[in-house]
Amino acid sequence: RKEVEQDPGPFNVPEGATVAFNCTYSNSASQSFFWYRQDCRKEPKLLMSVYSSGNEDGRFTAQLNRASQYISLLIRDSKLSDSATYLCVVRINTDKLIFGTGTRLQVFP
Amino acid sequence: DAGVIQSPRHEVTEMGQEVTLRCKPISGHNSLFWYRQTMMRGLELLIYFNNNVPIDDSGMPEDRFSAKMPNASFSTLKIQPSEPRDSAVYFCASSSRVGNTIYFGEGSWLTVV
Repeated sequence: RKEVEQDPGPFNVPEGATVAFNCTYSNSASQSFFWYRQDCRKEPKLLMSVYSSGNEDGRFTAQLNRASQYISLLIRDSKLSDSATYLCVVRINTDKLIFGTGTRLQVFP
Repeated sequence: DAGVIQSPRHEVTEMGQEVTLRCKPISGHNSLFWYRQTMMRGLELLIYFNNNVPIDDSGMPEDRFSAKMPNASFSTLKIQPSEPRDSAVYFCASSSRVGNTIYFGEGSWLTVV
């Protein structure tokens, strides 16, 4: 079983739609959690951290359920520029980041 | 501000040749990571250094792979001999301190034919 699992997608949604991605992780000792965004043929970049109480950054909301070992990302009012691959990331110890294989989002006009 | 700098950006080489990938981390960052990305396996951590010392190389696939960090501003990942299955994007990343956000370079796109 992979340490971090995501639905690869693609998710094809119209502009203005709300879309949610889910991610599960297998290591209960995981310490912290992130969503990274990767554009086509580019490097991954940090989108947001995920806190236990849930957190929001503009149109983006991240939530964590430690009991179920589940992380989610909600994007409201999707824009064309949101089209990218979203990587779920788990920190296993203080140094080691484990990446999911990513969920691809395509927003169409 | 200069980010993580990797070279070469693209390399095509023949099977059996030695490949050396280079990385300059962000100035002042003391943790450096090498990742490999493929369609099938996603982003895999190969090795990481803290203060130039290799901390965890459990992700290095086999003895053909080696990595060094002779000083705080330079690291190499070497593949010798290279094989077609090594074709991937190799990312170098750095962070200012253990546990902080890591920043990726633009990647080295390797094709072994």
